[in-house]
Amino acid sequence: QLQLQESGPGLVKPSETLPLTCTVSGGSIRNDSFYWGWIRQPPGKGLEWIGSIDYSGNTNNNPSLKSRLNMFVDTSKNQFSLKLKSVTGADTAVYYCAVRISVIRGLRQWYYFDYWSQGTLVTVSS
Amino acid sequence: DIQMTQSPSSLSASVGDRVTITCRASQNIINYVNWYQQKPRKAPKLLIYAASNLQSGVPSRFSGSGSGTDFSLTISSLQPEDFATYFCQQSHTVPWTFGQGTKVEIK
Repeated sequence: QLQLQESGPGLVKPSETLPLTCTVSGGSIRNDSFYWGWIRQPPGKGLEWIGSIDYSGNTNNNPSLKSRLNMFVDTSKNQFSLKLKSVTGADTAVYYCAVRISVIRGLRQWYYFDYWSQGTLVTVSS
Repeated sequence: DIQMTQSPSSLSASVGDRVTITCRASQNIINYVNWYQQKPRKAPKLLIYAASNLQSGVPSRFSGSGSGTDFSLTISSLQPEDFATYFCQQSHTVPWTFGQGTKVEIK
């Protein structure tokens, strides 16, 4: 059973860079069927997809964050990470990592998120 | 971006009630919709994928339907553990987007 655990600072100053790492256990990050994703949730609000990456480093990003976002994979540590630059209070949120799983039937392919981490609150404040 | 609009934003119901939550997409997304349940201070949990496919381990009282732009999640007989917030999510077009959530509360 896959388990994901994120780690990172709970507090980041405005204009600085937010680093988060997600460690995968119970399976290899080198899986052709998976993308490894980040989703965030501002306090009391809904969910926002940040981006996803496969073990080769291919990415899909949310265009609203793309210019500030960097994602990468460390297969030797079974980890994937993000760095979000120039943060503001609007980036205060619970950040989750999750697996983007694909289901293929015939010529069609569906995606969903599963094996979510517990989430970590990141507050942007001076 | 594809907008996902859920209704209602909240509802009160009793144990045993049949509950339906709807989600409308801003464009045709065929059946590329997933539903998640989130309890306070917990990560979302997948219930339904591809509009109507029940995720393994999810009770059969949960069901999903719809196609095109209109989708629904139904709980046939609400149980105490079902009081939570429910989100729809489209996987038709990047960026993947979520509905704003529907909170199911105890009447």
